[in-house]
Amino acid sequence: DAGVIQSPRHEVTEMGQEVTLRCKPISGHNSLFWYRQTMMRGLELLIYFNNNVPIDDSGMPEDRFSAKMPNASFSTLKIQPSEPRDSAVYFCASTRGGNTIYFGEGSWLTVV
Amino acid sequence: EDQVTQSPEALRLQEGESSSLNCSYTVSGLRGLFWYRQDPGKGPEFLFTLYSAGEEKEKERLKATLTKKESFLHITAPKPEDSATYLCAVQGESGGYNKLIFGAGTRLAVHP
Repeated sequence: DAGVIQSPRHEVTEMGQEVTLRCKPISGHNSLFWYRQTMMRGLELLIYFNNNVPIDDSGMPEDRFSAKMPNASFSTLKIQPSEPRDSAVYFCASTRGGNTIYFGEGSWLTVV
Repeated sequence: EDQVTQSPEALRLQEGESSSLNCSYTVSGLRGLFWYRQDPGKGPEFLFTLYSAGEEKEKERLKATLTKKESFLHITAPKPEDSATYLCAVQGESGGYNKLIFGAGTRLAVHP
């Protein structure tokens, strides 16, 4: 079984540029999460979708961040404009029916 | 507010030297406590879910236990390949059914 697939794996961008991170959840999973991991703050939940609908976006740091899930097999996390403090590892995760949450390998973002 | 505290922050063991990692939690209505393993450059990998006090689960050299206030991850006769960061997370009623709150993790290094 393919796991959660994220792209790009690594992204280096200049401050002010738009960044789009992509995620394909595990087939059949109906819940999708975006997490951010930093040394200072650990793993933080940014947004949670259930059946493609955003349920909890209270973790989205500010209006520069947006997330969409146009269908059950694809989600994007966009940062516009990006800032150096956005540098982190962004993880996408999915689950079915509230059971075990499975994580992707992460997108490593560096904003210079 | 749901909280998870892991200790120690880092642990160095000799191969074969058994030890335990601690995860203390405060949560409004525990739905589940999760243990994940994270290798450098990878996403968290699911290990165990515990649902009620007194429950125990085992996998190879790892055994997870749960009380009403904390969970322990016991590592018996560890090997160098057990070196990783171990993350604990809780699902509580107040956070929403699928929301995981993570601790900062314990970095384990097992030396031959």
